[in-house]
Amino acid sequence: EVQLLDSGGGLVQPGGSLRLSCAASGFTFNSYAMNWVRQAPGKGLEWVSGITSSGGATSYADSVKGRFTISRDNSKNTLYLQMNSLRAEDTAVYYCAKGDSESYLYSLFDIWGQGTMVTVSS
Amino acid sequence: DIAMTQSPDSLAVSLGERATINCKSSQSVLYSSNNKNCLAWYQQKPGQPPKLLIFWASTRESGVPDRFSGSGSGTDFTLTISSLQAEDVALYYCQQYYNTPYTFGQGTKLEIK
Repeated sequence: EVQLLDSGGGLVQPGGSLRLSCAASGFTFNSYAMNWVRQAPGKGLEWVSGITSSGGATSYADSVKGRFTISRDNSKNTLYLQMNSLRAEDTAVYYCAKGDSESYLYSLFDIWGQGTMVTVSS
Repeated sequence: DIAMTQSPDSLAVSLGERATINCKSSQSVLYSSNNKNCLAWYQQKPGQPPKLLIFWASTRESGVPDRFSGSGSGTDFTLTISSLQAEDVALYYCQQYYNTPYTFGQGTKLEIK
């Protein structure tokens, strides 16, 4: 069964850091691009970042550029999101989402994790 | 950024009736390499992650009931549920994957009348 398991969320103070993980199983992880998408409480969906299957190229939303870093360890079938300088407006459920090709370009999101909640508050 | 606008924001339809949700992009999302539109539809039920229903504007994802269909091209797209079932109550989002940042519509809440 194809599965993504998000983890690492929690409560963090403004200016703090957190690292999210997404463990993949049931498919050839190193053949597909991966993404992070977030959803603030009661709000819509916002794409955060994408990474190619090899990890050689990445892309970010302007709202997180310079603060968040996406990475992957293909030997561990795991995707990461390092979040620094967190702000209240980063409070959201964060989902990892599998792309349908090696590149995140022109790639839809065909499998989603269950999400992990990040709350930024003092 | 490409803006995605859905209409209506909410919709109430009787069981067995047709439901139609519209999505408009601020610029064309037609991918010239394959002449297909980079437009997807997702369904999200409370407490669950989104689920892919339709991609390339009109291709149904494996396992999605055939009462769900997508249409449109260029900047105007439609998701149609031909005969509403109780389990279709959810939020529906359109999304363009033509350009980063990938963007979603604001969502349409579908309820039973």
